[in-house]
This record gives sequence, C-alpha cells and structure tokens, in this order.
Amino acid sequence: QKEVEQNSGPLSVPEGAIASLNCTYSDRGSQSFFWYRQYSGKSPELIMFIYSNGDKEDGRFTAQLNKASQYVSLLIRDSQPSDSATYLCAGRGYTGGFKTIFGAGTRLFVKA
Amino acid sequence: ETGVTQTPRHLVMGMTNKKSLKCEQHLGHNAMYWYKQSAKKPLELMFVYSLEERVENNSVPSRFSPECPNSSHLFLHLHTLQPEDSALYLCASSQDLGRVSGNTIYFGEGSWLTVV
Repeated sequence: QKEVEQNSGPLSVPEGAIASLNCTYSDRGSQSFFWYRQYSGKSPELIMFIYSNGDKEDGRFTAQLNKASQYVSLLIRDSQPSDSATYLCAGRGYTGGFKTIFGAGTRLFVKA
Repeated sequence: ETGVTQTPRHLVMGMTNKKSLKCEQHLGHNAMYWYKQSAKKPLELMFVYSLEERVENNSVPSRFSPECPNSSHLFLHLHTLQPEDSALYLCASSQDLGRVSGNTIYFGEGSWLTVV
C-alpha cells in the first residue's frame, strides 16, 4: 500500500514565526511531490510542487525534498493568521504514473 | 473564475434517488479525476480519465458511475447511495498523466453530498 503520512496536528505557531510541516512517503519510486492548502469547507489549492532533492522557494514558502529519507517538508516563513488551514502533502508514484496519493493533512493554526 | 467548475455545490439526496455531479475544466487539460474527501480521511481517488478514456477505477462501488463525454467535461452519476457516501466530491484535472511533469492536479470547488 503506497502511503503518504502526515501528523494531523493541530500545529500551533505564533504570528510571524516559521511553521514547519512534515510528510513522509513509502513509495520510493515517487518522483513528484505537492503541497496543497485547504481552508475549512473549501477545496485544496496548490501551493508548490517539487521534483528534485533540495529546497525550492516561492515567496514565504519553501518546500524541501529528501528522497533518500523519503521526506518532504513545507516551511512557511512569517506565518500569518490567514495561513491557518489544513495542508495536504501528496506524492505521485512511479508505478502507474497517475496515482497521486494524498496524506490526511496537517491542521495549522497561526495565533495572532 | 476557477479553472475547474463543479455543479451543484451542495446536494441532498435520498437513498433511492438518481442524481449527477457535473464538472467542467477550462484549462485545456487532458486528464480528469474524481476524488472523495470524507472527514479525517485522506483524499480517495475514485476515477481517472485521460483523453476521455477511463484509465483507473479505484475499486469504487457501482452505485457511482462516471462519464466523460469529452476532455473538458466529467460527470459522476449517483444511484442508490448510502448515508456513508456523504462526503465532499472533488473533480480535478491535470495537463496529462506524466510521471514527473504536467501532472499537477488542480481541483474544483467540490460538491458537498449528503445522503439521507
């Protein structure tokens, strides 16, 4: 069973702090990884994708991928209350190509 | 306007009803998906279509019947559902089914389904 694991949280951080969201995956053949943000009652919206080992930065967001450790993370700098949401990690497996597997998500609260 | 639109946004149906969810994507993508999202559970992939051909049926009960008349439209026909089928049903699309590139999934706003 191909799985993507996330701590369900909630993760609580003060406004202005760095929020660190973590994800592990079991399919060693996974090549593409995605972070989505989902506000309560809304659909997931894409934040970032990452294919290569290392860091990828986009504004206040940095995605980190370590394929050897099968680990993906998302850092949110200068966290804002509007960042409070559930963050979904997803990986696209090698086998079959089209099975994007989602984690259950981590709830993040940013306290003002 | 979002690139993937779903209707209706909310649906309440009895267990003997027949209803359909509709999805349309305006992104020029070739792949479309149905996902189910229940409380506290990961997104569950239900169906995948590529160029109107179904390429994945992820052990979904036959009371859910997808239809993809063209690469821009996707339907989910619902018949004799159970209360446990109540969930958020998300339509999504991607450029294609590539392993690395072009496979970023974009979601519609979702259809909240309640079965009574």
